[in-house]
Amino acid sequence: DGGITQSPKYLFRKEGQNVTLSCEQNLNHDAMYWYRQDPGQGLRLIYYSQIVNDFQKGDIAEGYSVSREKKESFPLTVTSAQKNPTAFYLCASSIRSEQYFGPGTRLTVT
Amino acid sequence: AQSVSQHNHHVILSEAASLELGCNYSYGGTVNLFWYVQYPGQHLQLLLKYFSGDPLVKGIKGFEAEFIKSKFSFNLRKPSVQWSDTAEYFCAVAFGGSQGNLIFGKGTKLSVKP
Repeated sequence: DGGITQSPKYLFRKEGQNVTLSCEQNLNHDAMYWYRQDPGQGLRLIYYSQIVNDFQKGDIAEGYSVSREKKESFPLTVTSAQKNPTAFYLCASSIRSEQYFGPGTRLTVT
Repeated sequence: AQSVSQHNHHVILSEAASLELGCNYSYGGTVNLFWYVQYPGQHLQLLLKYFSGDPLVKGIKGFEAEFIKSKFSFNLRKPSVQWSDTAEYFCAVAFGGSQGNLIFGKGTKLSVKP
């Protein structure tokens, strides 16, 4: 069953802690993406990776970091430097420009 | 800067009403165009897409969209909505065609009253 998995579905952290969100795909797609979704804001691109061991900043990369050591995996770390980390985070992979999305992780930082 | 605009933040319709959601984008070059839908509690999923060819594109669940190049628009339509169409709809554009990353509009929330 091909697709994108994100875990966990809900995540709670205390302010000042780093937290890593998981994203795995078995679609054999080269490109992967992280978005942040806030009410009324649509999806905003955090980071993307076109190929293993390479990634690029998106529109709102500050306070986030990523790695791409394997084609299947693109974890996102929300660092303590991110001023407003509470949000819904979506991971996607793509072939041509058509993107396939995971179920998302809702992160709450208090 | 490249941008995508969705004109309506929230649309409320009764069942069987016709739907048209507007989407406009900046830029006059090659684009790939998408509409995604997010049903309550579910994944974002592709509704339809346009890469080239016939500018009238048919998608899943009776939705269609028309690409009007001269107006930089890609409006989504459905002749008769159902309660199950209640969802948030996102227009997205890949500027530069298949080489471009997607830029999303801010979304339109559709509420269909039974």
